[in-house]
Amino acid sequence: NAGVTQTPKFQVLKTGQSMTLQCAQDMNHNSMYWYRQDPGMGLRLIYYSASEGTTDKGEVPNGYNVSRLNKREFSLRLESAAPSQTSVYFCASRVGTSGNNEQFFGPGTRLTVL
Amino acid sequence: DAKTTQPTSMDCAEGRAANLPCNHSTISGNEYVYWYRQIHSQGPQYIIHGLKNNETNEMASLIITEDRKSSTLILPHATLRDTAVYYCIAFFSGGYQKVTFGTGTKLQVIP
Repeated sequence: NAGVTQTPKFQVLKTGQSMTLQCAQDMNHNSMYWYRQDPGMGLRLIYYSASEGTTDKGEVPNGYNVSRLNKREFSLRLESAAPSQTSVYFCASRVGTSGNNEQFFGPGTRLTVL
Repeated sequence: DAKTTQPTSMDCAEGRAANLPCNHSTISGNEYVYWYRQIHSQGPQYIIHGLKNNETNEMASLIITEDRKSSTLILPHATLRDTAVYYCIAFFSGGYQKVTFGTGTKLQVIP
């Protein structure tokens, strides 16, 4: 049981390049999330998917798109990367929408945009 | 979602209990209090959560005041490996999925 996995672990992009961050979970969870964490800051929600087939914006969605490919996978795409998107990106999953279950986090993707 | 307030940093001697406070005075009746921690730049790790009653698991204890306006996370015998940033969050059951992580409390366990 690998939990939540993210690829790649590290990435360096030039301004204007595009890339997709991959996230997968093997816990049969319904809800999945993408966060970013800037240095010295807490986590901010980018997008989430309450269940397969649905996605919604979080606190900081501008410049990102997401795809809930199936129940296991939730990808985050940067269409035209900007230096302001330099951050650590975390994916998380939960069983469902009830308040009585915790989030499980992946190890993160460290992205630098030059 | 209720806003939570935590001290920026705390120190604790190794082997002693670490008591981390959290204020959530605007919490509503269906919001759970969750605690996570983040060691270095790893993904946050779940510790414990509760609604009204005090809770205990193998990692920690959670004490929630009767009015639910504040809570305390207790690590009974802190070790150097407990040095981390601890986040207290209030999670709304149902509806909007947003879970807001503030800047948390940086706990330094001192040998």
